[in-house]
Amino acid sequence: GENVEQHPSTLSVQEGDSAVIKCTYSDSASNYFPWYKQELGKGPQLIIDIRSNVGEKKDQRIAVTLNKTAKHFSLHITETQPEDSAVYFCAASLGGSYIPTFGRGTSLIVHP
Amino acid sequence: NAGVTQTPKFRILKIGQSMTLQCAQDMNHNYMYWYRQDPGMGLKLIYYSVGAGITDKGEVPNGYNVSRSTTEDFPLRLELAAPSQTSVYFCASSYSFRHDSNQPQHFGDGTRLSIL
Repeated sequence: GENVEQHPSTLSVQEGDSAVIKCTYSDSASNYFPWYKQELGKGPQLIIDIRSNVGEKKDQRIAVTLNKTAKHFSLHITETQPEDSAVYFCAASLGGSYIPTFGRGTSLIVHP
Repeated sequence: NAGVTQTPKFRILKIGQSMTLQCAQDMNHNYMYWYRQDPGMGLKLIYYSVGAGITDKGEVPNGYNVSRSTTEDFPLRLELAAPSQTSVYFCASSYSFRHDSNQPQHFGDGTRLSIL
């Protein structure tokens, strides 16, 4: 089955810096890659996703890149703010399976 | 649109007791899922359902049961609660409109369960 590795497990940055979280996946047939943000005491919420026919996608300060050849995808957050502090999860899924495989999460801490 | 609603938000059980965690969604999603999240760990899939009347086991189904009698509701049943089932439980739903197009999951805010 699919295996998703996520790094780092903890990331500490100063406000205004950029943050990058990286994930690798094992199954080359995976074609959908969502990123979720989980704030304390809440459920994960989708922040951005990318499909395998696209190499990069941006939404304001957030971007995701996908390298299908290397089987890795990354979340980029620019101009970080304290409210970006949360746990971020990447996931990968195969077309038609609807059962995503999640990474173990990255705890992002943005210091004011 | 309330999204995915989970009840209760918190619960303390004694070893050996049983309970049902409720999950309801109002988005007409066909797929529903139950996950558990242990401290510092990711999400582990317990059970999932692809539609009313259809359920299947995930990665960690032992000690749990589910049913899906309607599109909206997907309750998770714990029989004979054990300390190892202390966790945060999340219900999620998603919609598929064609076979090969995955859609994001929508999560509830979780049920925090302690078994003492």
